[in-house]
Amino acid sequence: NAGVTQTPKFRILKIGQSMTLQCTQDMNHNYMYWYRQDPGMGLKLIYYSVGAGITDKGEVPNGYNVSRSTTEDFPLRLELAAPSQTSVYFCASSPGLAGGSYEQYFGPGTRLTVT
Amino acid sequence: AQKVTQAQTEISVVEKEDVTLDCVYETRDTTYYLFWYKQPPSGELVFLIRRNSFDEQNEISGRYSWNFQKSTSSFNFTITASQVVDSAVYFCALSASGTYKYIFGTGTRLKVLA
Repeated sequence: NAGVTQTPKFRILKIGQSMTLQCTQDMNHNYMYWYRQDPGMGLKLIYYSVGAGITDKGEVPNGYNVSRSTTEDFPLRLELAAPSQTSVYFCASSPGLAGGSYEQYFGPGTRLTVT
Repeated sequence: AQKVTQAQTEISVVEKEDVTLDCVYETRDTTYYLFWYKQPPSGELVFLIRRNSFDEQNEISGRYSWNFQKSTSSFNFTITASQVVDSAVYFCALSASGTYKYIFGTGTRLKVLA
C-alpha cells in the first residue's frame, strides 16, 4: 500500500512551458485534492474532486487544470507556467462519503520552480 | 466564512521543555472537524489527530495532548518534554461536515534546541 504518490519530486520550468504533475492513490479514496504551499505559508486549495469525473475549483485555480478519469489518478496541469507558480505542490486524498469528516493523506510533494 | 488562525509564527524551546501551540478557528457550522498535521523538515505532511465538534474531551497520545474548547473556539496542542525530533511546522485545519474543503492555518514552526 503506497498511499499517495506524486511525480516528479522536483522540476524546473521555463516561463511559458507546460507540464503535468501526476498524483495516484491506492486507497480507493473518493476525494482528492491539490494544494500549493508557498514558502512560510499554509496550504491553499487549487482544485478538488469528489469522485471520478467530478472536479471543482478551490481557492486558487487560475493557471491550472485537472481531470479525474479514474478513482486512483488526479493529475494537475500547468499551462503557460509563470514565476508566481513557483511553489511546492501537494496532492491529498480522503476516504468515505462524509467529505470533510476525515483526515487527508498527503503525497510527498512536488517542488516546482519557474524561471 | 471559515477561518483558522495560528498566531504563533515560530516558537523555540529547549529540549525537555513543554510547549503549547495555539489554534483558534471560526465557523458558523454546528458540525465540524478539527485536525492537526505535522510537517517535518523532510517536507511531508503527517496527520496527528482529528476531533469532531461534539467531542470536547481532551486527548493524550504519549507526549502529545490536545485541548478542545468550543467556548473559546480553540484547539490547542501541547507537547510535553519536547525532543529535537519534534522540530517541525505544525498546521491546524478545519472542515465543516458535508463539505469537501479543509481550511488550513498558516502553521507554527517549532524549533526544539538540544
